[in-house]
Amino acid sequence: DAMVIQNPRYQVTQFGKPVTLSCSQTLNHNVMYWYQQKSSQAPKLLFHYYDKDFNNEADTPDNFQSRRPNTSFCFLDIRSPGLGDAAMYLCATSRDRGNYEQYFGPGTRLTVT
Amino acid sequence: GENVEQHPSTLSVQEGDSAVIKCTYSDSASNYFPWYKQELGKRPQLIIDIRSNVGEKKDQRIAVTLNKTAKHFSLHITETQPEDSAVYFCADGEYNFNKFYFGSGTKLNVKP
Repeated sequence: DAMVIQNPRYQVTQFGKPVTLSCSQTLNHNVMYWYQQKSSQAPKLLFHYYDKDFNNEADTPDNFQSRRPNTSFCFLDIRSPGLGDAAMYLCATSRDRGNYEQYFGPGTRLTVT
Repeated sequence: GENVEQHPSTLSVQEGDSAVIKCTYSDSASNYFPWYKQELGKRPQLIIDIRSNVGEKKDQRIAVTLNKTAKHFSLHITETQPEDSAVYFCADGEYNFNKFYFGSGTKLNVKP
């Protein structure tokens, strides 16, 4: 019954070593989002896709990239992780633009050593 | 918009009491205000939302009020229960774009 799936749930990477987090959805939603949530802080929107259109937030570092090869999958690539990138990364989807609920995945907790 | 202030950061109430969490926003274009509940170690989940064309919305023990003139909105939980304990996030955005920005969160503790 899982609707938004994130893999892996826990990821450990070394400082500077590229890492990819994945998100898949079974909802056939048009919009997919990536958020970064640090401990005791609010989720911070990094970027979102409306279908294939990529929308970057102005303050998202260039170190973060994303790919959406098809409706179901979306990837977050961190090219050179720093210690400050350790966080929970949340993927979310919504059916379309408009006030549709965002469904969040369980998150991937990234540790940078 | 990106500037949403949320208060208080922590709130402790006795079971059965009411809890109120307040948020203010600055972007006049904001017209959609969802509230999310996040339990420890779990994903955020939508509990209620409101559009700018209404002033209040209610769903059982939960209500949200919106004052567009003052640019603030509030979450009201009545008859609180221990299972209401969680972090609550307000957010604002433009629903045509369906992206929004979260407030800093309120940790609600309901004491039995």
